[in-house]
Amino acid sequence: KAGVTQTPRYLIKTRGQQVTLSCSPISGHRSVSWYQQTPGQGLQFLFEYFSETQRNKGNFPGRFSGRQFSNSRSEMNVSTLELGDSALYLCASSLEVSGTSYNEQFFGPGTRLTVL
Amino acid sequence: QQQVKQSPQSLIVQKGGISIINCAYENTAFDYFPWYQQFPGKGPALLIAIRPDVSEKKEGRFTISFNKSAKQFSLHIMDSQPGDSATYFCAACGGSNYKLTFGKGTLLTVNP
Repeated sequence: KAGVTQTPRYLIKTRGQQVTLSCSPISGHRSVSWYQQTPGQGLQFLFEYFSETQRNKGNFPGRFSGRQFSNSRSEMNVSTLELGDSALYLCASSLEVSGTSYNEQFFGPGTRLTVL
Repeated sequence: QQQVKQSPQSLIVQKGGISIINCAYENTAFDYFPWYQQFPGKGPALLIAIRPDVSEKKEGRFTISFNKSAKQFSLHIMDSQPGDSATYFCAACGGSNYKLTFGKGTLLTVNP
């Protein structure tokens, strides 16, 4: 079974631009989460989607947004890019299992975003 | 507020030695504690996980010890190998949300 795929793997943008990152979850997984990883702040939760609905949101400004499609694929968008947005953006998918409070998350390789 | 504190930041161990990484959490609603391993250029990969109804879980050379009253858990890597050199993250999740709260990570170097 194929793992979580993310595109593109690398991206270079300039301040003020916007960017869209894509994530394809493992087949059958309906929950998709996004995380930002930086050397200073570590791994931080951005948001989580399930059945096209945002179910959880982290403490990031409104410039960070996302969506999920009916096939569970997800995109995240960052508008008005700032230098501090340079990071590895990770997507994780999980198989929703009813009756459990947590489902194992599988991470993709990430998209390395550099803002100049 | 850092809800999961991880130590040490870095660790150097000789081949065959035991690597120990510790984490402490604050939120008593957490009920799932995974450990992730990350190699450069890769996403984190789940290594082993534990729920608070057990005090220890072992999978091969990797063991999680869990102390609910102290709100602490640790990862032990027995017979550490150079291939274990990576960054290790503890995490926690629970309550009504599905987000993982991560520790800051430990860079493990195993010398041959």
